[in-house]
Amino acid sequence: EPEVTQTPSHQVTQMGQEVILRCVPISNHLYFYWYRQILGQKVEFLVSFYNNEISEKSEIFDDQFSVERPDGSNFTLKIRSTKLEDSAMYFCASREDYEQYFGPGTRLTVT
Amino acid sequence: RKEVEQDPGPFNVPEGATVAFNCTYSNSASQSFFWYRQDCRKEPKLLMSVYSSGNEDGRFTAQLNRASQYISLLIRDSKLSDSATYLCVPGGTGGFKTIFGAGTRLFVKA
Repeated sequence: EPEVTQTPSHQVTQMGQEVILRCVPISNHLYFYWYRQILGQKVEFLVSFYNNEISEKSEIFDDQFSVERPDGSNFTLKIRSTKLEDSAMYFCASREDYEQYFGPGTRLTVT
Repeated sequence: RKEVEQDPGPFNVPEGATVAFNCTYSNSASQSFFWYRQDCRKEPKLLMSVYSSGNEDGRFTAQLNRASQYISLLIRDSKLSDSATYLCVPGGTGGFKTIFGAGTRLFVKA
């Protein structure tokens, strides 16, 4: 069964550093998403991506964040200058029709 | 009214019990609805999709009440493995932003 994959599973970085989180969506899916979940809190929408551009973003997704689909398979989330409050699980999701399928997540720890 | 509201629980039920969760949503334009389950520190996994008045899959039944803007999830014959957080997600408004409910925690005990 096809699945969404994410790397790395855990990333530790220092405040102010740049991080890139990687996702490989399901191959025939056209819509891609990033979410974050701070420990103990709800899943929060960050951004959606369709047809090689951002289709919608939340107020969390400020200038420190960017997304890219550098080739036909990868979908990346970059945080330019990490803050302590960026520590969270970051989930990638993709969909073909209406149902979104999630990757296992990257746990980002900012120290 | 919050965009998506769920009773956080926790619901503590014995094995074999029937349990139901409700979720209310504010966007009347929502056309499709999803229930996800999330285990601790894992990704949300799609449990059920609802596109009309309801859906049934084995022990799980979802019902939609558009007039009152709520959806419910019924779990019959609860198993220990049903212990998880259940997330309600209204969708299909034509936009891309997806709002998750905060989830309802279920503990099934032997």
